[in-house]
Amino acid sequence: SQQGEEDPQALSIQEGENATMNCSYKTSINNLQWYRQNSGRGLVHLILIRSNEREKHSGRLRVTLDTSKKSSSLLITASRAADTASYFCATGSGGSYIPTFGRGTSLIVHP
Amino acid sequence: DAGVTQSPTHLIKTRGQQVTLRCSPKSGHDTVSWYQQALGQGPQFIFQYYEEEERQRGNFPDRFSGHQFPNYSSELNVNALLLGDSALYLCASSHTGGSLGNQPQHFGDGTRLSIL
Repeated sequence: SQQGEEDPQALSIQEGENATMNCSYKTSINNLQWYRQNSGRGLVHLILIRSNEREKHSGRLRVTLDTSKKSSSLLITASRAADTASYFCATGSGGSYIPTFGRGTSLIVHP
Repeated sequence: DAGVTQSPTHLIKTRGQQVTLRCSPKSGHDTVSWYQQALGQGPQFIFQYYEEEERQRGNFPDRFSGHQFPNYSSELNVNALLLGDSALYLCASSHTGGSLGNQPQHFGDGTRLSIL
């Protein structure tokens, strides 16, 4: 079974709008990472947030982490058509060397 | 600075055959992980190699095996192919260091394997 689960499964918005996607997980984690995957391509690392951090920013991206609720959110502000992709959260926990991926949120940004 | 490169990009095999996929990590990276990604799903971890040894393995049968070479490149071998092995196989590299599991991974664009 997968550790992280993204919500919603699919999101369709207009260019310029903000996009918010969420990730929930079940066990304690060391860190949580967000990745983007364009159709037919590999995953691109976006941002890593550690368990002792609550918020992190990178350009138009804002990630929050609530360890008490075992959840994280990724906010993309002022979205662009080029943001159209699948977004995955991945959790790293315990002695695991490997982040565990969810099923992803498919984001479509209409020009 | 080349990123992670994988070959071939596409491959078609028939059931029962064997396949070898190849990966060259990003320059400066010493750890290679392999993932299987079925259509519409997230990547599923197969195994990770570090210092030419399998360091951790996911829930995949022994038909899946791998190797890492002294130059850190890696191969994924799958024997006795099944229809269900059709997927995108992704290689990711990272630099070992710091806390366990805290390293961002750099992915290649994958090998699309189709089993007929």
